[in-house]
Amino acid sequence: NAGVTQTPKFQVLKTGQSMTLQCAQDMNHEYMSWYRQDPGMGLRLIHYSVGAGITDQGEVPNGYNVSRSTTEDFPLRLLSAAPSQTSVYFCASSLGQGSLGEAFFGQGTRLTVV
Amino acid sequence: AQSVTQLGSHVSVSEGALVLLRCNYSSSVPPYLFWYVQYPNQGLQLLLKYTTGATLVKGINGFEAEFKKSETSFHLTKPSAHMSDAAEYFCAVSPYNFNKFYFGSGTKLNVKP
Repeated sequence: NAGVTQTPKFQVLKTGQSMTLQCAQDMNHEYMSWYRQDPGMGLRLIHYSVGAGITDQGEVPNGYNVSRSTTEDFPLRLLSAAPSQTSVYFCASSLGQGSLGEAFFGQGTRLTVV
Repeated sequence: AQSVTQLGSHVSVSEGALVLLRCNYSSSVPPYLFWYVQYPNQGLQLLLKYTTGATLVKGINGFEAEFKKSETSFHLTKPSAHMSDAAEYFCAVSPYNFNKFYFGSGTKLNVKP
């Protein structure tokens, strides 16, 4: 039972590079979302999706793109990495109302931009 | 708009003492409320949640929380702290359709022997 799988676990980028953080879930969950975690700021919502083909912006979407072509996958793309994007990124999924709200989180991707 | 405030970024208690972690929320509609726990270098795990019904909610590992609408609070408690409770705790609020969560800034709990 894999749950929510994020890859890679660690990544170092140079300023200006692009990359994609992968997120996959095997629970057939409708809802998926990306958060970034920074010290003293909790988790902030970047983008979220309520189903394949549907995405929307969260609190801090600038510099990130997402797409949801399948129910299982929800990749997060950094277009041109900046030091301010150094953070720990978490992907989450949930059934939505059917599960009365419980979100399942991946183990996180620790990204450093130098 | 919805937001969550957690008072105290660090809380330290002795083993066996009461744990009280504070959470207040603001919401234009009745929210759904959650507490998550994060152990070092891990993802978040659900402790408990309030959606409807009884306002005193019991969760895993002996934790409980009470939804007080008049105080817009959802404080987390545990009667007797264990060393294994040392972690970071996050309060979160979700709109009715659970499509996204808004988290507080977190409280790190330290348990002293």
